[in-house]
Amino acid sequence: EPEVTQTPSHQVTQMGQEVILRCVPISNHLYFYWYRQILGQKVEFLVSFYNNEISEKSEIFDDQFSVERPDGSNFTLKIRSTKLEDSAMYFCASSEGRTRTSGTQYFGPGTRLLVL
Amino acid sequence: QKEVEQNSGPLSVPEGAIASLNCTYSDRGSQSFFWYRQYSGKSPELIMFIYSNGDKEDGRFTAQLNKASQYVSLLIRDSQPSDSATYLCAVIRQAGTALIFGKGTTLSVSS
Repeated sequence: EPEVTQTPSHQVTQMGQEVILRCVPISNHLYFYWYRQILGQKVEFLVSFYNNEISEKSEIFDDQFSVERPDGSNFTLKIRSTKLEDSAMYFCASSEGRTRTSGTQYFGPGTRLLVL
Repeated sequence: QKEVEQNSGPLSVPEGAIASLNCTYSDRGSQSFFWYRQYSGKSPELIMFIYSNGDKEDGRFTAQLNKASQYVSLLIRDSQPSDSATYLCAVIRQAGTALIFGKGTTLSVSS
């Protein structure tokens, strides 16, 4: 069964450093998403991406964040200058479309980011 | 007012019993409703979705939606210890793409 994959599974970085989190969405899916979950808190939406453009973003997704689809398979989240509060689990998700039947989102296993 | 509210639990049920999980949402224009299961340290796993008023059954799971009351529920029949997890309710708002999650309800099924 097709699945979303993410690398790395764990990332430790120093405050102020840049990190890139990578995702390979399900191959026939057209919509891609990033979410984060701070330990003990709820899953929070960051951004959705379609046709090489951001289609929706949350207040969390400020100028330190960016997303890119550098090739036909990868989808990346870049955090430019990490802060302690960026420590969280980051989930990538994908969906075929955005209609009621095609908009179901499937999640990858996540990248646990720790900022020291 | 929180967008999606769930009782955090824990909800404890004995093996074989019915577990009932509830969720309310604030945006009346919300279109699609989802239940995900999340084991500790893992990613959300889709259980089922619903977008029409009424019941939708899938195996041991039944989702119920009442848009007038802005209420979604999940029933788990014949609960098993392996069902012990956090259950996340999520909605997609009208014209949106983002899943808006509740904090989740922790379910514990004892054998």
